[in-house]
Amino acid sequence: GENVEQHPSTLSVQEGDSAVIKCTYSDSASNYFPWYKQELGKRPQLIIDIRSNVGEKKDQRIAVTLNKTAKHFSLHITETQPEDSAVYFCAASPGTYKYIFGTGTRLKVLA
Amino acid sequence: KAGVTQTPRYLIKTRGQQVTLSCSPISGHRSVSWYQQTPGQGLQFLFEYFSETQRNKGNFPGRFSGRQFSNSRSEMNVSTLELGDSALYLCASSGLGTEQYFGPGTRLTVT
Repeated sequence: GENVEQHPSTLSVQEGDSAVIKCTYSDSASNYFPWYKQELGKRPQLIIDIRSNVGEKKDQRIAVTLNKTAKHFSLHITETQPEDSAVYFCAASPGTYKYIFGTGTRLKVLA
Repeated sequence: KAGVTQTPRYLIKTRGQQVTLSCSPISGHRSVSWYQQTPGQGLQFLFEYFSETQRNKGNFPGRFSGRQFSNSRSEMNVSTLELGDSALYLCASSGLGTEQYFGPGTRLTVT
């Protein structure tokens, strides 16, 4: 069935270093890939997304890359700051408003 | 615009009871999706409604049901509650685009 695998489940980095979170999807019909950040006790917030006709998208310190052939997409955060500490979720959708989420990555940025 | 709202925010029920959760989408949004969030399982898709019709459904038992009203507000019902139903239930709304905006969630505890 449809599945999104997300790795790692936890990630600790030193402030100022980069963080990379990787996801793999199974449904080849997926064409929309959002990333959400969820801080403790808060709702998930969309931070960046990418569509299948684009290989890379960047927004300040955050970038997402997509490899359709390998069905991989990744989130890259550069110059990490303590406020980047949160749980990050990837998701894949075939564009029919059905989203399959990964199991999340808990990112800790150590000051 | 006001964000997605959910009521109640917290709920404690006994095994075997039933529960109804409510979600009001962002004004103008016609798609409402529901998710179950548990530690270690991430966000699992329950179902999605658009213009009062269920368009997508996840892999949950029939005890989980929903509906959408003409004003796009949605309700989710869980009958014959089990201990394993304890979770944070999130709804999300979408407008013309595929971006989803989440509500704060309803934390359900089944004892």
